[in-house]
Amino acid sequence: DAGVIQSPRHEVTEMGQEVTLRCKPISGHDYLFWYRQTMMRGLELLIYFNNNVPIDDSGMPEDRFSAKMPNASFSTLKIQPSEPRDSAVYFCASQLSGTDTQYFGPGTRLTVL
Amino acid sequence: KQEVTQIPAALSVPEGENLVLNCSFTDSAIYNLQWFRQDPGKGLTSLLLIQSSQREQTSGRLNASLDKSSGRSTLYIAASQPGDSATYLCAVRRGGATNKLIFGTGTLLAVQP
Repeated sequence: DAGVIQSPRHEVTEMGQEVTLRCKPISGHDYLFWYRQTMMRGLELLIYFNNNVPIDDSGMPEDRFSAKMPNASFSTLKIQPSEPRDSAVYFCASQLSGTDTQYFGPGTRLTVL
Repeated sequence: KQEVTQIPAALSVPEGENLVLNCSFTDSAIYNLQWFRQDPGKGLTSLLLIQSSQREQTSGRLNASLDKSSGRSTLYIAASQPGDSATYLCAVRRGGATNKLIFGTGTLLAVQP
């Protein structure tokens, strides 16, 4: 199995631009999580889906952030417009229901200038 | 609100030493606790998971304990090796139907050869 796949691995953009991060979960996993990691705040859950439906989006910072999961094998996290304080590493993870382990992707390092 | 703290923030030890990493959480109503390892530029890998009804779990040179009533967990690493150098994070999952994990601040471990 290829594991959780994220793209791009690195993204550098200018303030005000739209940024789209992508994630492909492990095949068969029905939970998908988006996390953000910064030095100041550590690793925080932004949103998670079950069977493509958002379950908890209480960690989404503000309306500039949106996440979708159009099918079981693909999810996006979009930031529009981006700001320098959005600079962080964004992780996607997936999990199979009935189990306790989340499998993390390698992350996308976002830098907003 | 659940808060998870890890002490120390950073630790440097010579190869071969036994060491203990600490994790504390403020709300004892947890479903389980996990220890993760994070290597630079990579995602997280689950090391050990302790259910709320368990006291400890072991995997090779790693042993994790849980004292739910006092809100504490420890990760014991025996005979440390340079390959153990990484950031170690603990995470708690609340009780109930949620799959949400609350992560600690992490301990950066360096094992000197």
